[in-house]
Amino acid sequence: DTAVSQTPKYLVTQMGNDKSIKCEQNLGHDTMYWYKQDSKKFLKIMFSYNNKELIINETVPNRFSPKSPDKAHLNLHINSLELGDSAVYFCASSLGRAGELFFGEGSRLTVL
Amino acid sequence: AQSVTQLGSHVSVSEGALVLLRCNYSSSVPPYLFWYVQYPNQGLQLLLKYTTGATLVKGINGFEAEFKKSETSFHLTKPSAHMSDAAEYFCAVTFNFGNEKLTFGTGTRLTIIP
Repeated sequence: DTAVSQTPKYLVTQMGNDKSIKCEQNLGHDTMYWYKQDSKKFLKIMFSYNNKELIINETVPNRFSPKSPDKAHLNLHINSLELGDSAVYFCASSLGRAGELFFGEGSRLTVL
Repeated sequence: AQSVTQLGSHVSVSEGALVLLRCNYSSSVPPYLFWYVQYPNQGLQLLLKYTTGATLVKGINGFEAEFKKSETSFHLTKPSAHMSDAAEYFCAVTFNFGNEKLTFGTGTRLTIIP
């Protein structure tokens, strides 16, 4: 029973395309996040939602748009993909804004 | 600004040997410190955390870490390495115990030699 699940796990696409990554958690958590992990394994927060309200938007280009239809889901839509967007994107959730983070398995995005 | 430095991007130890992964932070206020582990093709999993109280913190899988304020360190140790410990380890720090301000180190890849 996967706690935080992301789809797709792998995504290969051309520059300029638009793509989405979906995330769902079944832990009953109220806070969800998107992290980006680059090729050097550096992990940086992109967005954070608490009870469907955006609380963190860390200087991410506005080509990235998160959407939280409910507390259990946080999707990431990316417009006009660029080579530099290639990375592994992790969804995570926590109970409250200071609870332990639970991560999904990641979605590896490759932009050609 | 808060930051965390992990010394050694790769560490190799023999099975049964001591594991020591180093983490130093910079801060002017008391930090909250974490170690996360990432197994291949998986997300990160919390190993242990220090917020307040006892400076020696025990985590899962036999790992522990000690907060040393004088050395601004939070090194991760395990007395006897097991093959299943091979993974990437991340130290992280925040100063308001809010995940939105969690800063991760660049990670240390641990390899276990049979």
